[in-house]
Amino acid sequence: NAGVTQTPKFRILKIGQSMTLQCTQDMNHNYMYWYRQDPGMGLKLIYYSVGAGITDKGEVPNGYNVSRSTTEDFPLRLELAAPSQTSVYFCASSPPGQGASDTEAFFGQGTRLTVV
Amino acid sequence: QKEVEQNSGPLSVPEGAIASLNCTYSDRVSQSFFWYRQYSGKSPELIMSIYSNGDKEDGRFTAQLNKASQYVSLLIRDSQPSDSATYLCAVNKRERDDKIIFGKGTRLHILP
Repeated sequence: NAGVTQTPKFRILKIGQSMTLQCTQDMNHNYMYWYRQDPGMGLKLIYYSVGAGITDKGEVPNGYNVSRSTTEDFPLRLELAAPSQTSVYFCASSPPGQGASDTEAFFGQGTRLTVV
Repeated sequence: QKEVEQNSGPLSVPEGAIASLNCTYSDRVSQSFFWYRQYSGKSPELIMSIYSNGDKEDGRFTAQLNKASQYVSLLIRDSQPSDSATYLCAVNKRERDDKIIFGKGTRLHILP
């Protein structure tokens, strides 16, 4: 019962470096999300996907890119890291549900990223 | 108007008292409503979901939904120090734009 798995758990990047945060889920969920959470703040939606091959911008997409080639994987790419991207990143997934029920999001353990 | 609004707090409640957390949402077509608890440095975990008007009870937690007023609340009875956390309200419209929207969260502090 792996659920949602994120890697790495911690990472320090230098300004201008690039990296990919990995997210995979084994629950066959259609919907996947990337959030960032700054210290003492709530979740901000970066990108989300309603299924393989479909992605949409969230509230704070600038500086990030995503892809969804399979149902299971939803990687988040940072191309030119900036100090403003220092944050904790959470990946989540949710099922399409039957009517209004069974649609809650399941979260990964988070990736703590520091850009110096 | 933000899609999901919560008072950021902190909300301080004496141990043993009732903690009341509130959330309003802007889109009337919303159908699914969730409360998540997040401890510092941890990922959010689901504690309650509610889909119909009225109350839903689970142990010390009661979720209340009023779709006409676009209002969701969470009551925590007999508050314990372990309830100190940030509580996130989330809404799913279950429509074409079918993503879960989170509020900014309310920090709850239970005073021993």
